[in-house]
Amino acid sequence: ELKVEQNPLFLSMQEGKNYTIYCNYSTTSDRLYWYRQDPGKSLESLFVLLSNGAVKQEGRLMASLDTKARLSTLHITAAVHDLSATYFCAVEMDNDMRFGAGTRLTVKP
Amino acid sequence: GAGVSQSPSNKVTEKGKDVELRCDPISGHTALYWYRQRLGQGLEFLIYFQGNSAPDKSGLPSDRFSAERTGESVSTLTIQRTQQEDSAVYLCASSLGVVWRGGPDTQYFGPGTRLTVL
Repeated sequence: ELKVEQNPLFLSMQEGKNYTIYCNYSTTSDRLYWYRQDPGKSLESLFVLLSNGAVKQEGRLMASLDTKARLSTLHITAAVHDLSATYFCAVEMDNDMRFGAGTRLTVKP
Repeated sequence: GAGVSQSPSNKVTEKGKDVELRCDPISGHTALYWYRQRLGQGLEFLIYFQGNSAPDKSGLPSDRFSAERTGESVSTLTIQRTQQEDSAVYLCASSLGVVWRGGPDTQYFGPGTRLTVL
């Protein structure tokens, strides 16, 4: 059974600092997604990673995928308050999409 | 343009009642997905439609749950004889085609329906 594990589940960081969120999954997958969810809101697509070694960057966020290690990372550079949200990774398989439990990020001034 | 819309935004019901949740996908999106998100948790995939067809219903939590889609647009998720454990946010998403097997890679999510079963 496909399992998706994120860590940490909670992350409090100071503005300007760097940090990495990890997403491990248990079986081979077609694609890996990162989403952002603000409190009380729906999900916003951030990145889709298709192949081993894929790296995508948008602003202060950079996502990478290592399919051999079954690991994706979401790296935050020089965090700002606006990045406070819950971040989910999701792994796609045939006819199924499995989400991690989410990482609740709080960026403090 | 218009995004995915869901109604109602909030629904409070008594245990044992039936509820119907509605999703209007983005126009032209042939694929539609339903998810459940319990408080503080990730999303749980329930079912998807390719056109009006749901090829795999095994993700539905129990036989109290059913979903249908008509006219390749609106979908309804029905929960019969609601239980307290059904309390969650139910999210709908749509995409141009199904995302599996190399399909379009973006699902667009609606705002969700928050269901509370008393």
